[in-house]
Amino acid sequence: GDSVTQTEGQVTVSESKSLIINCTYSATSIGYPNLFWYVRYPGEGLQLLLKVITAGQKGSSRGFEATYNKEATSFHLQKASVQESDSAVYYCALSTSSSFSKLVFGQGTSLSVVP
Amino acid sequence: AQTIHQWPVAEIKAVGSPLSLGCTIKGKSSPNLYWYWQATGGTLQQLFYSITVGQVESVVQLNLSASRPKDDQFILSTEKLLLSHSGFYLCAWSLGGAETLYFGSGTRLTVL
Repeated sequence: GDSVTQTEGQVTVSESKSLIINCTYSATSIGYPNLFWYVRYPGEGLQLLLKVITAGQKGSSRGFEATYNKEATSFHLQKASVQESDSAVYYCALSTSSSFSKLVFGQGTSLSVVP
Repeated sequence: AQTIHQWPVAEIKAVGSPLSLGCTIKGKSSPNLYWYWQATGGTLQQLFYSITVGQVESVVQLNLSASRPKDDQFILSTEKLLLSHSGFYLCAWSLGGAETLYFGSGTRLTVL
């Protein structure tokens, strides 16, 4: 079956430093999956951060970027300069075309940005 | 604008007691609806999905059931809770297959 791997469970970064959260995937379904980053801020629900449906393209939102690399089967999340307000749990996910959407999530990465 | 409302926000229940969690979506006609669950320390798993009223498909067997009595309502329930049911339950909707999922705020369930 499809799977998503995030290798870092917890990350602590100083404010204004750069960030990369790794995500690799394995998709056994026919066709290329859609790739997503979701985020859950403290006390809030899960919300979409960015989405890319075409291999080779980059998605961006709120200063975060992720490039769909089908050769490396990766979708790493990056930000050049993090802020305290970026502290949250980030989930990488994939879905494949179907009559319904089955998002397969990674384990999540808890980001703490410290002053 | 579409809104998704989940209730309750949190529940503390005894093993063997019944459970009912609910979800309502407003502002979107005939959405696909989903239930997800995350055990403490675990990853989010899809439990159920529904493409239309009255039809629900199970993805993972957890001794839970789901129903869609109205186009905009999705219910998750069980007659007997297990300790293993503890966790975070999320309702979500989408327009169709492989589309973006929009989530509710979730229900934190603790089974004692």
